[in-house]
Amino acid sequence: AQTVTQSQPEMSVQEAETVTLSCTYDTSESDYYLFWYKQPPSRQMILVIRQEAYKQQNATENRFSVNFQKAAKSFSLKISDSQLGDAAMYFCAYRSYSFGNEKLTFGTGTRLTIIP
Amino acid sequence: GAGVSQSPSNKVTEKGKDVELRCDPISGHTALYWYRQRLGQGLEFLIYFQGNSAPDKSGLPSDRFSAERTGESVSTLTIQRTQQEDSAVYLCASSTRAGASTDTQYFGPGTRLTVL
Repeated sequence: AQTVTQSQPEMSVQEAETVTLSCTYDTSESDYYLFWYKQPPSRQMILVIRQEAYKQQNATENRFSVNFQKAAKSFSLKISDSQLGDAAMYFCAYRSYSFGNEKLTFGTGTRLTIIP
Repeated sequence: GAGVSQSPSNKVTEKGKDVELRCDPISGHTALYWYRQRLGQGLEFLIYFQGNSAPDKSGLPSDRFSAERTGESVSTLTIQRTQQEDSAVYLCASSTRAGASTDTQYFGPGTRLTVL
């Protein structure tokens, strides 16, 4: 079974600065997907970024980028130019590539606080 | 509607009562997922539907939990004889087709269940 670990329960960053959230995972599969979701107080889970394991290039979405290290099974999220609206819980998630195993496996989350 | 909707938003019930939670997926999404989020924790997979069939029920914690989906649309999660440990936020997600390489799960706002 796959597991996802987020070792930072809480992080804080000054507005406009850069912050990196850590995520490691354990799997015996070679193909899979990784995701970062954001959950603001509204409870709505919002997809931030996704990465296909077979792609060597790190995914980027505007101010959000990942550092995907497949051999180390590490998938960190970098948020540049942090904004007040980035304050939320951030969850790292894993999904198998194989058909019939589509569930997402989540880490326990990191609460990100933005300091004005 | 444009997104996944869930009802009710909040539900308070007494121990031993049955509850039904509803999920309306994004129109045209054939895959539907239920997750549970206990306070301060990540999401746990419960069950997923492809069309009206449930190929993976592995996450249902006990036989008190059941779910159905009709018309490849609305899904209902039923918890019988509720216990205090059932208190959590129940989140529903939908996607275009389980197993597709471009599959992304879009989440609803969840139902917060409190069992007294």
